Formats: sequence, structure tokens, C-alpha cells
Amino acid sequence: QVQLVESGGGVVQPGRSLRLSCEAFGFSFDIYGMHWVRQAPGKGLEWVAVIWSDGSNKYYVDSVKGRFTISRDNSKNTLYLQMNILRAEDTAVYYCVRGGQQRGDYWGQGTLVTVSS
Amino acid sequence: DIVMTQTPLSLSVTSGQPASISCRSSQSLLHSDGKTYLYWYLQKPGQSPQLLIYQVSSRFSGVPNRFSGSGSGTDFTLKISRVEAEDVGVYYCMQGTSFPHTFGQGTKLEIK
Repeated sequence: QVQLVESGGGVVQPGRSLRLSCEAFGFSFDIYGMHWVRQAPGKGLEWVAVIWSDGSNKYYVDSVKGRFTISRDNSKNTLYLQMNILRAEDTAVYYCVRGGQQRGDYWGQGTLVTVSS
Repeated sequence: DIVMTQTPLSLSVTSGQPASISCRSSQSLLHSDGKTYLYWYLQKPGQSPQLLIYQVSSRFSGVPNRFSGSGSGTDFTLKISRVEAEDVGVYYCMQGTSFPHTFGQGTKLEIK
């Protein structure tokens, strides 16, 4: 069955970097756009970034532009989020989300990123 | 960016009674391809969000038919015909018509 498994979260100091991964199982990964969505502790959902199925297009929310990079390796069925110059306000659970017409039909379990000194 | 505004932000409903959540967008969500990319999600306590409704009114596979979505342009509604205990959680609308995609603030549903 469809499964999205995130990893790479943890505690990191402000200004440092972290790379999240999301491995996909149970579907043809290379035909779906993929998204990252985050949720700060006790807060609502915030869309972060999207990448087209072939990696040809990427979009970001303004607050992460220039600091975060979304990428994918279709040969490994894996989505990535490279997060640089992390700030305290980036602290959140980061979800990997499948795209397509039924956008958000599958979500990962999330990985917690805590930015703190 | 398109701003999504949900009302109410909290809802307390007796089991078996109906419930309704409104979602308004600051711009029309009608895409140039003729589709309207408005989604509804439910985040149950301690869980990842789950898709309920896509493209305004299409129920996702496995979603009970007591959930329905309607609307057009900038005004959208999620209705639950008879609330059950398993429906508690936070409901979010999201627009997928333009980037950045944006979510409503969320509506917390509890059972009275």
C-alpha cells in the first residue's frame, strides 16, 4: 500500500542546516508531484514547497525561499528538503505529501525539526 | 498569496446532529483549466492530516458519505450530515489553485 516515510529531523542550532528525506512506497513515485507541509507546535498547517514529478518545476512559500531546496531522486523513490540557515520559526513537524489531482491523498507520519540553541 | 478564512474556528456538536464549516478565499479558486482546487482535510488528534474532499465536492475514497463539500469561486462549505464521535479533530481547507498553496486556520470540532 502507499506509504511515505520521513526521516532526518532532529534538534539543530539556529543558522545550521538539516536535510529531510521522504521515501515513498507502493506507488509510481515518478509520476506524482510531491509537497512538503509543516506544522509548528500547537499551530495549523503551512504549505512549504512542491516539486513536479520530473523535478522540472519547484515552488516555495516566501518564508523559506533562498534557504530551503526541494529535490527528488526518482531512481530511489525519495523526496528531499534541504534546509539551510534554520531559524527558530522553522521549528515544526514536516510532512511529506503526495500531489496530483487528489492532492494530499497520502501524508507521511511527519518528522520533527527543532531549531534551538 | 491567497488568504483562506475558515469559520467558525471551533464547533461543539451533539452526536447525530449536523455540522457545517465555511471557507472563504481572498481570490477566486477557479483555475484556468476550468477546475477549482479546493480541498478539505481532517487532522484527528495525534495523527497526520487525511484528505476528505478534493476539488470542492469529490469525496476521497473511503470517506463516509455523511461528508460533503460544496461551493464555487470564493465561498466553500464542508458539511457533516450527522456528526459521529470519530469525526473529532481539526478541519482545514486548502487552496491548490495557485502557489503558494495556502490553508485555512483550522476548525476544531468537538462532541458536546
